[in-house]
Amino acid sequence: GNSVTQMEGPVTLSEEAFLTINCTYTATGYPSLFWYVQYPGEGLQLLLKATKADDKGSNKGFEATYRKETTSFHLEKGSVQVSDSAVYFCALSDPQIFGQNFVFGPGTRLSVLP
Amino acid sequence: DGGITQSPKYLFRKEGQNVTLSCEQNLNHDAMYWYRQDPGQGLRLIYYSQIVNDFQKGDIAEGYSVSREKKESFPLTVTSAQKNPTAFYLCASSIGRLAGNNEQFFGPGTRLTVL
Repeated sequence: GNSVTQMEGPVTLSEEAFLTINCTYTATGYPSLFWYVQYPGEGLQLLLKATKADDKGSNKGFEATYRKETTSFHLEKGSVQVSDSAVYFCALSDPQIFGQNFVFGPGTRLSVLP
Repeated sequence: DGGITQSPKYLFRKEGQNVTLSCEQNLNHDAMYWYRQDPGQGLRLIYYSQIVNDFQKGDIAEGYSVSREKKESFPLTVTSAQKNPTAFYLCASSIGRLAGNNEQFFGPGTRLTVL
């Protein structure tokens, strides 16, 4: 079945450091890929998405490129802020699956220190 | 503003009592979902519904029940059969099965504590 794997956290960085959170996926079809962010005590918010190979999603300084050849969708940001401290979830949606076709990764907690 | 509302934000119940968590959306979405999240953990799917009057079990449906009588509402009942109900519950919605590559929109969550 489909699955999403993320790098284990927690990830701790200093303010203005470069961020990479790795995400790889397994899917039978051609999924769309997503990054969600969850701040403490809140629901998940969509951060960015990409619907086909080589698409780049971007939002709030975060970027991720859909790499079909490596089945990856790594999240990057050039300079993190304390306010970026949150849990980040990689996810996929596979249109070839009837029913529940959304799969989340386990999440990666990011802590940014001032 | 369109979105998903969950109420209440915090809920306390005594052990052995059933409790119903509310989820309402005004996004005109066909599909709705319930997830459970334990501290420091990811999301686990409890139930989902792709259309009114229809719903399917997710990975951890035991001890939970749902109904989908209206498109905008998908309440979750945590029954006394759920052995460890204390958790953070998240409701989500999406356009539906005919638009497979679409994102899920989440509510703010309900934190249930069973005393």
